[in-house]
Amino acid sequence: GAGVSQSPSNKVTEKGKDVELRCDPISGHTALYWYRQRLGQGLEFLIYFQGNSAPDKSGLPSDRFSAERTGESVSTLTIQRTQQEDSAVYLCASSFDRGWYGYTFGSGTRLTVV
Amino acid sequence: SQQGEEDPQALSIQEGENATMNCSYKTSINNLQWYRQNSGRGLVHLILIRSNEREKHSGRLRVTLDTSKKSSSLLITASRAADTASYFCATDNDYKLSFGAGTTVTVRA
Repeated sequence: GAGVSQSPSNKVTEKGKDVELRCDPISGHTALYWYRQRLGQGLEFLIYFQGNSAPDKSGLPSDRFSAERTGESVSTLTIQRTQQEDSAVYLCASSFDRGWYGYTFGSGTRLTVV
Repeated sequence: SQQGEEDPQALSIQEGENATMNCSYKTSINNLQWYRQNSGRGLVHLILIRSNEREKHSGRLRVTLDTSKKSSSLLITASRAADTASYFCATDNDYKLSFGAGTTVTVRA
């Protein structure tokens, strides 16, 4: 597609439920990133996928968070047993190779845990 | 962890004036990037400056990089109301982007 597509754009969930967020990167972009942004703050790195290499999961805050990506296509970020502190905007970005020419971000998924 | 730190946190200027914001970082970088965010959603890539470059221009944007001081500045000339947004610097060390908390710019008509 023309840009990075994320769905849903908004998600309200009850505490304790699982949620799945989706990111569809730009075709041909080998690198895909997930970031989290709490209200009024900068972006926190969560996870990085590059082609078929093992992902860098060093930013995932707990074992309730996981992400998958098949090849160079769609990625899903799953949060299990959601907590109120998980409320944030989750942003996905993709880039050609290792981002030496900048990254393209999606519009994000605003997650609210009530 | 956040490596870049923007200064000031907030900036209010009159339309037509220039806006300058600064970014400081801690470790060595491959490049430094500036992004704009409107309404707390998707980020738009503005400009990328590589570690061996000192200055770069793109339209009304001018970015400088001083690797000896580990700092960068973003200048927006002749600001417009549409420039109202949050601006983030992001340092690229290997493949991971580290963002600061951003500078919120308000351009008054």
